[in-house]
Amino acid sequence: NAGVTQTPKFRVLKTGQSMTLLCAQDMNHEYMYWYRQDPGMGLRLIHYSVGEGTTAKGEVPDGYNVSRLKKQNFLLGLESAAPSQTSVYFCASSYGRLYNEQFFGPGTRLTVL
Amino acid sequence: QQPVQSPQAVILREGEDAVINCSSSKALYSVHWYRQKHGEAPVFLMILLKGGEQKGHDKISASFNEKKQQSSLYLTASQLSYSGTYFCGSTSGGGGSNYKLTFGKGTLLTVNP
Repeated sequence: NAGVTQTPKFRVLKTGQSMTLLCAQDMNHEYMYWYRQDPGMGLRLIHYSVGEGTTAKGEVPDGYNVSRLKKQNFLLGLESAAPSQTSVYFCASSYGRLYNEQFFGPGTRLTVL
Repeated sequence: QQPVQSPQAVILREGEDAVINCSSSKALYSVHWYRQKHGEAPVFLMILLKGGEQKGHDKISASFNEKKQQSSLYLTASQLSYSGTYFCGSTSGGGGSNYKLTFGKGTLLTVNP
């Protein structure tokens, strides 16, 4: 099993450009999440999904959109990138049952110039 | 609101013990602990649920004081491999809401030979 994979691993954008980050999991997890990690801030939840076709806002959703058309995939979109969105983005997934431990992908390092 | 972790950083010699604390101003349903090594993804260590249930690794122990809204992670006989940043994540509210985590800012643990 590959677990949770993220594409791409690195990306540099110019202000105003758009892009989509792809997260895929092969563990048949119901729940998926997108976090951003900035120095000294810990992990902050952007959006999450509790099942195919559903999405919800987390702590810091502004400037991002998500879609979960297939159970195994969770896409994070930036419509008009801003320098404040420079960060490391982690995707995670979980079963959604009692303990609900989260499994994280390797991360995507995004720089917006 | 983010849970507060203490200490922010700790340096140990191999074989020494450490305690990392996590406290919240909100009533907690669960506390999750993750470790992240530099440049890597966070990895699950432990989950503690309100009511006493818990799941985690054999060599890691933790406590959850519901009344004080606090959790502590106990690292005994530390090894070099324990080095990394430790994050607690908390969920609050009832109804089995054990998936929408709010993470603390992390505790950097360095174990030296």
